[in-house]
Amino acid sequence: DTGVSQDPRHKITKRGQNVTFRCDPISEHNRLYWYRQTLGQGPEFLTYFQNEAQLEKSRLLSDRFSAERPKGSFSTLEIQRTEQGDSAMYLCASSLDRGTYEQYFGPGTRLTVT
Amino acid sequence: GENVEQHPSTLSVQEGDSAVIKCTYSDSASNYFPWYKQELGKRPQLIIDIRSNVGEKKDQRIAVTLNKTAKHFSLHITETQPEDSAVYFCAARTLGPILTGGGNKLTFGTGTQLKVEL
Repeated sequence: DTGVSQDPRHKITKRGQNVTFRCDPISEHNRLYWYRQTLGQGPEFLTYFQNEAQLEKSRLLSDRFSAERPKGSFSTLEIQRTEQGDSAMYLCASSLDRGTYEQYFGPGTRLTVT
Repeated sequence: GENVEQHPSTLSVQEGDSAVIKCTYSDSASNYFPWYKQELGKRPQLIIDIRSNVGEKKDQRIAVTLNKTAKHFSLHITETQPEDSAVYFCAARTLGPILTGGGNKLTFGTGTQLKVEL
């Protein structure tokens, strides 16, 4: 499968614990995005990378959230001191920086905070 | 920032009928408007998109229209089939290098649950 992959697909954690998600973009894509989707809503933008540089962050991204893309390939999203309100589907997408800029989404990581 | 509104939230049609979903956006600088289809438990998948220099685009049974003046765009599905049943999201984005004012985030609508009944 040459599409965007995410790991894990599901994560259940207790409130207050830290979690980390991984996203592997399509190999030639230099742009990578993180979105959050709650039930019945469209995806909400969290942050975006151009290669290894984090160029844009949403106000939704509190200081408990941190994202990295150290080598410009895979990315990690860490949530510290999780809260019940963090329960959502976390989607990763990737795109080229030219042409149609079409974003291809991964299958998502569903986080449940108990 | 950009705000995208989408209507209706649910839409039920008979197989073979047409379905229309409408979206409005607020940022006049937005110039790219994709539509995504999301089946239950699956990732959003792009089905069609349109740039602001085009008023209409068609791909088989799917078409999108854009009215820049009114800041609204619509998805049209003709000859609907049961496999068209899904949630459809519109989105808006400003293309271009970030240093010249172009962002890259997609702002999504709240989705339309389309159900095609036999």
